[in-house]
Amino acid sequence: GESVGLHLPTLSVQEGDNSIINCAYSNSASDYFIWYKQESGKGPQFIIDIRSNMDKRQGQRVTVLLNKTVKHLSLQIAATQPGDSAVYFCAERDRDDKIIFGKGTRLHILP
Amino acid sequence: DGGITQSPKYLFRKEGQNVTLSCEQNLNHDAMYWYRQDPGQGLRLIYYSQIVNDFQKGDIAEGYSVSREKKESFPLTVTSAQKNPTAFYLCASSIGTGGLYVRSYEQYFGPGTRLTVT
Repeated sequence: GESVGLHLPTLSVQEGDNSIINCAYSNSASDYFIWYKQESGKGPQFIIDIRSNMDKRQGQRVTVLLNKTVKHLSLQIAATQPGDSAVYFCAERDRDDKIIFGKGTRLHILP
Repeated sequence: DGGITQSPKYLFRKEGQNVTLSCEQNLNHDAMYWYRQDPGQGLRLIYYSQIVNDFQKGDIAEGYSVSREKKESFPLTVTSAQKNPTAFYLCASSIGTGGLYVRSYEQYFGPGTRLTVT
């Protein structure tokens, strides 16, 4: 069946280092993916998206990589800052055009 | 200021009471959504609406009801039939659920309502 999941529930990264958050999906027919950031007590915010006809997309300090062969998605955050502390969700568009969210990875920034 | 608002931020109710959570958007978005988030969990879709006067059940609709009488409003009622109503509820909207524009899938979220039922 369709599923969106994350390899690690919690990730600790030194301030200034790069962060890599991973996501696996099971539906090979999924053609659109989104990364969201959720700070404590707030709603998720859109970070970046990617369509299945791309394997890489860059934003400001963030890069999303898509590997369709192994059904893997990653979010790279360059020069991680304290403000990057949050839970990050990947999401995919399913067959019914709904967006399905994964469980999330909490990113801790170490001083 | 365009955006999506939810009220109240915190809500407390006694078991057995129905409670309605407000969601309003002034983004002129066609689609609106309600999600439930439990601690350490992802978002689970309760109901969604693609257009006024129409809505569809999500994955966990039992014990909830919605209405979409106006484009900008999508209230959620948590009924006494919902067995475990204590959770963080998030409302979202998007331009649409598909169509010509990829970004029509981007959902804008409200700040959420934390409901506690005792």
